[in-house]
Amino acid sequence: AQSVTQPDIHITVSEGASLELRCNYSYGATPYLFWYVQSPGQGLQLLLKYFSGDTLVQGIKGFEAEFKRSQSSFNLRKPSVHWSDAAEYFCAVVPPMGNNAGNMLTFGGGTRLMVKP
Amino acid sequence: NAGVTQTPKFRVLKTGQSMTLLCAQDMNHEYMYWYRQDPGMGLRLIHYSVGEGTTAKGEVPDGYNVSRLKKQNFLLGLESAAPSQTSVYFCASMSKRGAWEQYFGPGTRLTVT
Repeated sequence: AQSVTQPDIHITVSEGASLELRCNYSYGATPYLFWYVQSPGQGLQLLLKYFSGDTLVQGIKGFEAEFKRSQSSFNLRKPSVHWSDAAEYFCAVVPPMGNNAGNMLTFGGGTRLMVKP
Repeated sequence: NAGVTQTPKFRVLKTGQSMTLLCAQDMNHEYMYWYRQDPGMGLRLIHYSVGEGTTAKGEVPDGYNVSRLKKQNFLLGLESAAPSQTSVYFCASMSKRGAWEQYFGPGTRLTVT
């Protein structure tokens, strides 16, 4: 089945440590790829997106993501995590289908990030 | 510029009751969406609209109805609430002219007892 998978439900890192959140997709062709962040009690905010071109994408709040076609992955990274990064992170795709009139997003299950002082 | 707003923020219903959730956006976006968020399942699309007067089903439409009578508003209705509809509901909007960025409201937490 076509899907978006975030293998890690919870991740805990120490403040100042590096972070990598995993995202894998299973579609025949490369979809459009997105990372969203949801702070507690808030809606979702777009961190970054990838359509084509340079496989390393820079986003807001110091985040970046790397697209790897061979691994069907789009992992999110940050070199040094701040306590304010504690949130839930969602990978999402616009599937590579012709009939997607609403440009609908399909979301992964999310990864909850906790930051230790 | 308020972005996307949702009313109400919280609601408790008894099984069988009905209610309407209101989403409003002031960005003149063409596309609007209703999602539900359940633990471990991410967000799932309930219904969406590509313009005033048009709606379409998403991934989990059963038990919900929607209307888009005005471009800036997208209403989600529950005619006969069930405990399985306990969830957090998010509305989002997006311009059809590019950027592919959906803007989300703050959510409505609904509990059905």
